[in-house]
Amino acid sequence: AQSVTQLDSQVPVFEEAPVELRCNYSSSVSVYLFWYVQYPNQGLQLLLKYLSGSTLVKGINGFEAEFNKSQTSFHLRKPSVHISDTAEYFCAVSEDTGFQKLVFGTGTRLLVSP
Amino acid sequence: SQTIHQWPATLVQPVGSPLSLECTVEGTSNPNLYWYRQAAGRGLQLLFYSVGIGQISSEVPQNLSASRPQDRQFILSSKKLLLSDSGFYLCAWSPGQGPYNEQFFGPGTRLTVL
Repeated sequence: AQSVTQLDSQVPVFEEAPVELRCNYSSSVSVYLFWYVQYPNQGLQLLLKYLSGSTLVKGINGFEAEFNKSQTSFHLRKPSVHISDTAEYFCAVSEDTGFQKLVFGTGTRLLVSP
Repeated sequence: SQTIHQWPATLVQPVGSPLSLECTVEGTSNPNLYWYRQAAGRGLQLLFYSVGIGQISSEVPQNLSASRPQDRQFILSSKKLLLSDSGFYLCAWSPGQGPYNEQFFGPGTRLTVL
Protein backbone atom coordinates (compact mmCIF):
# COMPACT_ATOMS: atom_id res chain seq x y z
CA ALA A 1 0.00 0.00 0.00
CA GLN A 2 1.11 3.51 -0.66
CA SER A 3 2.14 6.02 1.99
CA VAL A 4 3.09 9.69 2.09
CA THR A 5 5.55 11.43 4.41
CA GLN A 6 5.64 15.14 5.00
CA LEU A 7 8.59 15.58 7.31
CA ASP A 8 7.93 19.20 8.26
CA SER A 9 4.85 19.78 10.36
CA GLN A 10 5.40 23.54 10.30
CA VAL A 11 7.50 25.86 8.12
CA PRO A 12 7.90 29.50 9.18
CA VAL A 13 9.08 31.92 6.51
CA PHE A 14 9.21 35.65 5.92
CA GLU A 15 7.15 37.32 3.22
CA GLU A 16 8.82 37.39 -0.22
CA ALA A 17 11.22 34.61 0.73
CA PRO A 18 11.33 31.31 -1.20
CA VAL A 19 9.88 28.17 0.33
CA GLU A 20 10.04 24.42 -0.24
CA LEU A 21 7.62 21.96 1.34
CA ARG A 22 8.87 18.40 1.25
CA CYS A 23 6.92 15.31 0.30
CA ASN A 24 8.13 11.73 -0.07
CA TYR A 25 6.00 8.77 -1.01
CA SER A 26 6.23 5.01 -1.00
CA SER A 27 4.56 2.73 -3.52
CA SER A 28 5.29 -0.44 -5.45
CA VAL A 29 3.40 0.69 -8.56
CA SER A 30 3.07 3.82 -10.68
CA VAL A 31 1.49 6.74 -8.89
CA TYR A 32 -0.21 10.04 -9.46
CA LEU A 33 0.73 12.88 -7.13
CA PHE A 34 -1.22 15.85 -5.82
CA TRP A 35 -0.73 18.91 -3.66
CA TYR A 36 -3.74 20.43 -1.90
CA VAL A 37 -4.03 23.60 0.18
CA GLN A 38 -6.40 24.12 3.10
CA TYR A 39 -7.18 27.55 4.50
CA PRO A 40 -8.50 27.71 8.10
CA ASN A 41 -11.85 25.99 8.59
CA GLN A 42 -12.27 25.30 4.89
CA GLY A 43 -12.13 22.32 2.59
CA LEU A 44 -9.15 21.41 0.44
CA GLN A 45 -8.33 23.00 -2.90
CA LEU A 46 -6.08 21.45 -5.54
CA LEU A 47 -2.82 23.33 -6.13
CA LEU A 48 -1.33 21.04 -8.77
CA LYS A 49 -0.98 17.44 -9.83
CA TYR A 50 1.49 15.20 -11.60
CA LEU A 51 0.04 12.60 -13.94
CA SER A 52 2.77 12.00 -16.53
CA GLY A 53 5.16 13.82 -18.85
CA SER A 54 7.24 16.75 -17.67
CA THR A 55 8.43 16.27 -14.13
CA LEU A 56 8.08 19.98 -13.34
CA VAL A 57 4.46 20.84 -12.73
CA LYS A 58 3.11 24.35 -12.38
CA GLY A 59 0.00 25.08 -10.36
CA ILE A 60 -2.12 27.93 -9.12
CA ASN A 61 -0.94 30.88 -7.03
CA GLY A 62 2.64 30.64 -8.35
CA PHE A 63 3.38 27.20 -6.87
CA GLU A 64 5.28 24.47 -8.67
CA ALA A 65 6.42 20.96 -7.82
CA GLU A 66 8.98 18.56 -9.21
CA PHE A 67 8.47 14.82 -9.44
CA ASN A 68 11.62 12.83 -8.78
CA LYS A 69 11.03 9.13 -9.33
CA SER A 70 14.45 7.96 -8.15
CA GLN A 71 14.06 9.82 -4.85
CA THR A 72 10.30 9.16 -4.66
CA SER A 73 9.73 12.82 -3.92
CA PHE A 74 7.31 15.52 -4.99
CA HIS A 75 8.45 18.72 -3.28
CA LEU A 76 6.40 21.91 -3.53
CA ARG A 77 8.12 25.25 -4.14
CA LYS A 78 7.32 28.92 -4.47
CA PRO A 79 10.00 31.51 -5.27
CA SER A 80 8.36 34.32 -3.27
CA VAL A 81 5.60 33.79 -0.71
CA HIS A 82 2.86 36.15 0.39
CA ILE A 83 1.07 36.52 3.70
CA SER A 84 -1.99 35.02 2.01
CA ASP A 85 -0.10 31.75 1.43
CA THR A 86 -0.38 30.98 5.14
CA ALA A 87 -2.28 27.69 5.17
CA GLU A 88 -1.95 23.93 5.58
CA TYR A 89 -0.52 22.04 2.61
CA PHE A 90 -1.17 18.37 1.97
CA CYS A 91 0.63 16.03 -0.37
CA ALA A 92 -1.37 13.04 -1.64
CA VAL A 93 -0.73 9.98 -3.78
CA SER A 94 -3.02 7.77 -5.81
CA GLU A 95 -1.83 4.43 -7.12
CA ASP A 96 -2.42 3.50 -10.74
CA THR A 97 -4.58 0.51 -9.87
CA GLY A 98 -7.83 1.48 -11.57
CA PHE A 99 -9.68 3.26 -8.77
CA GLN A 100 -8.95 6.60 -7.22
CA LYS A 101 -8.17 6.46 -3.52
CA LEU A 102 -6.04 9.29 -2.27
CA VAL A 103 -3.63 8.75 0.59
CA PHE A 104 -2.67 11.99 2.28
CA GLY A 105 0.36 13.07 4.24
CA THR A 106 -0.07 14.62 7.67
CA GLY A 107 0.26 18.12 6.25
CA THR A 108 2.68 21.04 6.58
CA ARG A 109 1.57 24.32 8.07
CA LEU A 110 3.16 27.24 6.21
CA LEU A 111 3.39 30.36 8.36
CA VAL A 112 4.29 33.51 6.45
CA SER A 113 5.16 36.55 8.54
CA PRO A 114 5.87 40.15 7.45
CA SER B 1 -20.42 24.08 -12.81
CA GLN B 2 -20.22 21.54 -10.03
CA THR B 3 -20.67 22.40 -6.38
CA ILE B 4 -20.55 20.36 -3.21
CA HIS B 5 -22.47 21.18 -0.05
CA GLN B 6 -22.11 19.93 3.49
CA TRP B 7 -24.26 20.57 6.51
CA PRO B 8 -24.28 21.42 9.21
CA ALA B 9 -21.13 23.54 9.24
CA THR B 10 -20.61 23.01 12.96
CA LEU B 11 -22.11 20.60 15.45
CA VAL B 12 -21.75 20.04 19.17
CA GLN B 13 -23.15 16.75 20.41
CA PRO B 14 -23.07 14.86 23.73
CA VAL B 15 -21.43 11.46 23.99
CA GLY B 16 -23.87 8.70 23.14
CA SER B 17 -26.07 10.82 20.90
CA PRO B 18 -26.75 9.97 17.23
CA LEU B 19 -25.15 11.71 14.27
CA SER B 20 -26.17 12.52 10.74
CA LEU B 21 -23.99 14.58 8.39
CA GLU B 22 -25.13 15.23 4.87
CA CYS B 23 -23.26 15.90 1.66
CA THR B 24 -24.76 16.71 -1.72
CA VAL B 25 -23.18 17.36 -5.09
CA GLU B 26 -24.67 19.44 -7.87
CA GLY B 27 -23.82 19.70 -11.54
CA THR B 28 -22.55 16.19 -12.18
CA SER B 29 -23.87 12.65 -12.32
CA ASN B 30 -22.58 9.33 -10.99
CA PRO B 31 -19.71 10.86 -9.04
CA ASN B 32 -17.43 8.89 -6.76
CA LEU B 33 -18.08 10.13 -3.22
CA TYR B 34 -15.79 10.12 -0.20
CA TRP B 35 -15.95 10.85 3.53
CA TYR B 36 -12.76 11.90 5.32
CA ARG B 37 -12.03 12.80 8.93
CA GLN B 38 -9.34 15.26 9.82
CA ALA B 39 -7.99 15.18 13.36
CA ALA B 40 -5.44 17.69 14.60
CA GLY B 41 -1.93 16.78 13.46
CA ARG B 42 -3.04 13.58 11.73
CA GLY B 43 -3.89 14.62 8.21
CA LEU B 44 -6.91 13.24 6.41
CA GLN B 45 -8.19 9.76 7.06
CA LEU B 46 -10.44 8.15 4.46
CA LEU B 47 -13.52 6.73 6.19
CA PHE B 48 -15.83 5.63 3.37
CA TYR B 49 -16.13 5.81 -0.39
CA SER B 50 -18.91 5.06 -2.82
CA VAL B 51 -18.95 4.39 -6.56
CA GLY B 52 -22.73 4.31 -6.88
CA ILE B 53 -26.11 4.32 -5.14
CA GLY B 54 -26.13 1.86 -2.26
CA GLN B 55 -22.47 0.92 -2.81
CA ILE B 56 -20.38 1.77 0.24
CA SER B 57 -16.83 0.70 1.06
CA SER B 58 -15.45 1.17 4.56
CA GLU B 59 -11.79 1.90 5.12
CA VAL B 60 -11.65 2.05 8.90
CA PRO B 61 -13.68 -0.09 11.32
CA GLN B 62 -15.46 2.17 13.80
CA ASN B 63 -18.88 3.17 15.05
CA LEU B 64 -19.62 5.27 11.97
CA SER B 65 -21.59 4.24 8.90
CA ALA B 66 -22.32 5.78 5.52
CA SER B 67 -25.18 5.60 3.08
CA ARG B 68 -25.85 6.82 -0.45
CA PRO B 69 -29.61 6.93 -0.94
CA GLN B 70 -29.40 9.03 -4.11
CA ASP B 71 -26.79 9.47 -6.82
CA ARG B 72 -25.51 12.77 -5.48
CA GLN B 73 -26.23 12.41 -1.76
CA PHE B 74 -23.84 10.91 0.78
CA ILE B 75 -24.68 10.62 4.47
CA LEU B 76 -22.41 9.87 7.42
CA SER B 77 -24.12 8.49 10.51
CA SER B 78 -23.55 7.14 13.96
CA LYS B 79 -25.95 5.60 16.47
CA LYS B 80 -23.85 6.58 19.50
CA LEU B 81 -21.06 9.14 19.33
CA LEU B 82 -17.76 8.71 21.16
CA LEU B 83 -15.41 11.44 22.32
CA SER B 84 -12.92 10.21 19.74
CA ASP B 85 -15.38 11.03 16.95
CA SER B 86 -14.61 14.74 17.34
CA GLY B 87 -12.95 16.23 14.29
CA PHE B 88 -13.40 17.97 10.98
CA TYR B 89 -15.38 15.89 8.50
CA LEU B 90 -14.87 16.46 4.82
CA CYS B 91 -16.90 15.15 1.93
CA ALA B 92 -15.37 14.95 -1.54
CA TRP B 93 -16.32 13.85 -5.02
CA SER B 94 -14.42 12.88 -8.14
CA PRO B 95 -15.55 12.27 -11.71
CA GLY B 96 -15.27 8.69 -12.93
CA GLN B 97 -13.07 6.08 -11.38
CA GLY B 98 -9.64 6.84 -12.79
CA PRO B 99 -6.84 7.19 -10.21
CA TYR B 100 -5.68 10.35 -11.96
CA ASN B 101 -8.86 12.30 -11.21
CA GLU B 102 -8.86 15.27 -8.90
CA GLN B 103 -11.05 15.13 -5.82
CA PHE B 104 -13.18 18.17 -5.05
CA PHE B 105 -13.82 18.89 -1.40
CA GLY B 106 -16.75 20.38 0.44
CA PRO B 107 -16.43 23.08 3.12
CA GLY B 108 -16.47 20.54 5.96
CA THR B 109 -18.34 19.97 9.22
CA ARG B 110 -16.64 20.56 12.54
CA LEU B 111 -17.96 18.06 15.07
CA THR B 112 -17.29 18.42 18.78
CA VAL B 113 -18.38 15.58 21.04
CA LEU B 114 -18.61 16.52 24.70
